[in-house]
Amino acid sequence: QQQVKQSPQSLIVQKGGIPIINCAYENTAFDYFPWYQQFPGKGPALLIAIRPDVSEKKEGRFTISFNKSAKQFSLHIMDSQPGDSATYFCAASKGGNKLVFGAGTILRVKS
Amino acid sequence: EPEVTQTPSHQVTQMGQEVILRCVPISNHLYFYWYRQILGQKVEFLVSFYNNEISEKSEIFDDQFSVERPDGSNFTLKIRSTKLEDSAMYFCASGAFYEQYFGPGTRLTVT
Repeated sequence: QQQVKQSPQSLIVQKGGIPIINCAYENTAFDYFPWYQQFPGKGPALLIAIRPDVSEKKEGRFTISFNKSAKQFSLHIMDSQPGDSATYFCAASKGGNKLVFGAGTILRVKS
Repeated sequence: EPEVTQTPSHQVTQMGQEVILRCVPISNHLYFYWYRQILGQKVEFLVSFYNNEISEKSEIFDDQFSVERPDGSNFTLKIRSTKLEDSAMYFCASGAFYEQYFGPGTRLTVT
């Protein structure tokens, strides 16, 4: 019940495309859903996050869509660039406690 | 922009030896965490620390692990007797409540 399931494992898109990464959770007590971006050899960097009281949040080219009834949330990257090539992790937490991470998606944006 | 720092960036140790991983969290944060990431796998929670005590720990965080905030700025993770399976990237994170910001990590190699 603590798991967060993430898909796909890997994704290749052309520059300018819109990669979509999906996550699903079971624990309805989760109330914070961040996305992290990780480059090789670096720590995860907080990209964008959403609380369950809204269905969508945009920050620059990154958008989170949140479906509370389906217990799913997704990350969309608009106008993707080769510099967006990284591993993306979704996560969830309850009340500011430990983050439970998804398995990660390796994104490659081809120029 | 304030950031979490970690030292050393890479630590090589022999099985059975003690290691101490150090972190300097963002200065006004009150919540501190350690996570680890085995190569190619997802990020796993180890322990959270608030108000000078452990607030939550995972099954991984057994008696061989300990955390300490020895002064107002540092936050350490000690592994008393390292095992081969402790080889991983160890990330420190700090936060004000929901948001967690990760350091660059310490790569621990146990031989």
